[in-house]
Amino acid sequence: GENVEQHPSTLSVQEGDSAVIKCTYSDSASNYFPWYKQELGKRPQLIIDIRSNVGEKKDQRIAVTLNKTAKHFSLHITETQPEDSAVYFCAARESGGSYIPTFGRGTSLIVHP
Amino acid sequence: DSGVTQTPKHLITATGQRVTLRCSPRSGDLSVYWYQQSLDQGLQFLIQYYNGEERAKGNILERFSAQQFPDLHSELNLSSLELGDSALYFCASSAAGPRVGGTEAFFGQGTRLTVV
Repeated sequence: GENVEQHPSTLSVQEGDSAVIKCTYSDSASNYFPWYKQELGKRPQLIIDIRSNVGEKKDQRIAVTLNKTAKHFSLHITETQPEDSAVYFCAARESGGSYIPTFGRGTSLIVHP
Repeated sequence: DSGVTQTPKHLITATGQRVTLRCSPRSGDLSVYWYQQSLDQGLQFLIQYYNGEERAKGNILERFSAQQFPDLHSELNLSSLELGDSALYFCASSAAGPRVGGTEAFFGQGTRLTVV
């Protein structure tokens, strides 16, 4: 099955700085990579996703890049704000069988005002 | 609102007891996934149902079971509860399936289970 590694586990930045979270996956057949943001005590919510036929996708201050050859993908947040503080999960979904999203262990992002 | 409904939101019960968590997926979604999130832990996949049938199992204990009904709602049954079962249990749904290209998974608000 798919295995997703996520780093770092904790990331502390100053407001206005950029934040980068990196994930690697093991199954080369995975073709869909969503990122979820989970605020304390709330449900994970999709913030951006990328499919395997795309190398980069951007949505305002958030961007995701995918390197299929190296099997890694990254989340980039620019001009961070205190409200960006949350736990971020990357996921990879296998393309066949059960389509189960396999999640990384999460990154706790803390943005200091 | 993701469209996925979980009940109850909070549940406090004693060790050894049995509880049932309920999930109603988004309209039209055939896949339901159950995840467990313990303190400082990521989302641990438990089990998936697709259109009423069990499709995949993850790290689900034998004391736990689930089912998906004809109306596509799902229930997660936790029995012989232990203190370590205290966690946030999420249900997610998606349109993903063998013949569907696959879409994002939408999460419910979760059920916080506390075993005392």
